[in-house]
Amino acid sequence: DAGVIQSPRHEVTEMGQEVTLRCKPISGHNSLFWYRQTMMRGLELLIYFNNNVPIDDSGMPEDRFSAKMPNASFSTLKIQPSEPRDSAVYFCASSLSRETDTQYFGPGTRLTVL
Amino acid sequence: DAKTTQPNSMESNEEEPVHLPCNHSTISGTDYIHWYRQLPSQGPEYVIHGLTSNVNNRMASLAIAEDRKSSTLILHRATLRDAAVYYCILQNAGNMLTFGGGTRLMVKP
Repeated sequence: DAGVIQSPRHEVTEMGQEVTLRCKPISGHNSLFWYRQTMMRGLELLIYFNNNVPIDDSGMPEDRFSAKMPNASFSTLKIQPSEPRDSAVYFCASSLSRETDTQYFGPGTRLTVL
Repeated sequence: DAKTTQPNSMESNEEEPVHLPCNHSTISGTDYIHWYRQLPSQGPEYVIHGLTSNVNNRMASLAIAEDRKSSTLILHRATLRDAAVYYCILQNAGNMLTFGGGTRLMVKP
């Protein structure tokens, strides 16, 4: 079975550009999570969707960040405009139905903003 | 959120058992104890979880103290592929997973 799929795996962009990260959760999973990992702050939850609806976005750092889940099989995390401090590895995870179910993580997208 | 305390790093020899400790003295009665690990350049992966009783699965065992204020993840025979950061996390319904610093396990051949 395919796990969580993320694209691109690596992204290098210049400050001020728009960046879109993509995630395909495991089929049949109803919860989706976006995390960010940096050396300084570790692994942080950005936003949590359940049944395509954003439930908790308290971790989204600022208005430059937005996330959507138009259907059960696709989600995007967009940064506009990007800044060098956004450089990090961004992980998407999915779980069967609730925030307390086991989460399955994707391989991550390494974002570098120059 | 209840917090956990783990050693920053531990070393083990290959094919020997490894005991990874976790202290959680402020755990509540409804908190589950979860363990995830993150291999180099990969996303975290689930290892095991429990509430009160000890748990075993194909990856590891989880020993939970009777007062639930501490727990230990046991890898019965460490391999080089077990080198990773291991996270001990408390979670109950309605709350998100909150990852701390974890324990970096190094396995020596």
